[in-house]
Amino acid sequence: GESVGLHLPTLSVQEGDNSIINCAYSNSASDYFIWYKQESGKGPQFIIDIRSNMDKRQGQRVTVLLNKTVKHLSLQIAATQPGDSAVYFCAENIRNSGYALNFGKGTSLLVTP
Amino acid sequence: GAVVSQHPSRVICKSGTSVKIECRSLDFQATTMFWYRQFPKQSLMLMATSNEGSKATYEQGVEKDKFLINHASLTLSTLTVTSAHPEDSSFYICSAIDSSGANEQFFGPGTRLTVL
Repeated sequence: GESVGLHLPTLSVQEGDNSIINCAYSNSASDYFIWYKQESGKGPQFIIDIRSNMDKRQGQRVTVLLNKTVKHLSLQIAATQPGDSAVYFCAENIRNSGYALNFGKGTSLLVTP
Repeated sequence: GAVVSQHPSRVICKSGTSVKIECRSLDFQATTMFWYRQFPKQSLMLMATSNEGSKATYEQGVEKDKFLINHASLTLSTLTVTSAHPEDSSFYICSAIDSSGANEQFFGPGTRLTVL
């Protein structure tokens, strides 16, 4: 079935550099997207979200970009820090399907000093 | 922010026994909670939607008689893994929707189940 997927399973960046994590989705009915951070042995932690009527949203050190034309979502982390090392998931909510989320495969981000 | 707790955080049981996992919304009411399962190095997969006062809705391929869900109050949902087998070993994560208006979804810390 349709699903959310990621382009890069692992990403290694140096401390201080910017990180970009990508996500592709295939369901055109998806209207709400969320990025989560998951540290080992813990539950997902909300980072930032975006609705389909927007193409960019910024938070503290993070920016989410949404390109509905190519069904692509990205998370940009500025000045990546060692504490950013974790697995990052994008998740989608499909319009009129309730609040359950469909998670992507995940990208492991490793920040090296 | 809103807090969701899970108990226990980890459990080890023998094959064939049943295990109950609790999911609680600590400072908000949740008419809807979700149960997800996550195998090592994989993503979260939705198992079921737990609705307060009514039967849970299970995703395709999830056995409702094996994974019993009870949502008896607005702050508690339980998942019981019946007759657990080693292949049920996984990380079980719940989430809860804050019914007060914003409908934000908050995740619990997860429960690590190991079946010997």
